[in-house]
Amino acid sequence: ETGVTQSPTHLIKTRGQQVTLRCSSQSGHNTVSWYQQALGQGPQFIFQYYREEENGRGNFPPRFSGLQFPNYSSELNVNALELDDSALYLCASSSQGLYTEAFFGQGTRLTVV
Amino acid sequence: SQQGEEDPQALSIQEGENATMNCSYKTSINNLQWYRQNSGRGLVHLILIRSNEREKHSGRLRVTLDTSKKSSSLLITASRAADTASYFCATVPTGANNLFFGTGTRLTVIP
Repeated sequence: ETGVTQSPTHLIKTRGQQVTLRCSSQSGHNTVSWYQQALGQGPQFIFQYYREEENGRGNFPPRFSGLQFPNYSSELNVNALELDDSALYLCASSSQGLYTEAFFGQGTRLTVV
Repeated sequence: SQQGEEDPQALSIQEGENATMNCSYKTSINNLQWYRQNSGRGLVHLILIRSNEREKHSGRLRVTLDTSKKSSSLLITASRAADTASYFCATVPTGANNLFFGTGTRLTVIP
């Protein structure tokens, strides 16, 4: 167990809907990163939060947004869901950015129908 | 692309044999990390090697890094059925603050 928890574990949404995914980071970690992993692919970086501020963003449209709270937990919001958004969404917590190891949660499997 | 590429894409070996996976990348890096993923679940960190290091060991794992060739290898010795998983290399490029993953190697260890 990494101490990083994600909820929910599975989710089915309809195209056009909005979804919020949640992540509780490991104690003492101030950095949370979100990744999208399509079936058979490696994870793709969505964005990173450091001390409640966005600290880098990958090649994802603005309908992917996030928040980090004072306790360093985080949310990923996706608006106007598309079928291609179906994927495993992974949250990773770390200290000092990614110059040390990252601890991943078990992921949220999102299916858009 | 800054992503790494693993080779081979799939590897099947007998229990007790050694498994070697390779990773190539394109940019200068701060560090390179190896992760394991079981059946589409969360990623488990295995080992981190910094750009000024050439080799690291952790239990049955040995990782090498050749920055001149922009490549790394992961060796798992005396494999076990429980090692069956997908293995990913991920780089943290110089000046970046996130991981760039490859497409992974699917390892199957046959009991």
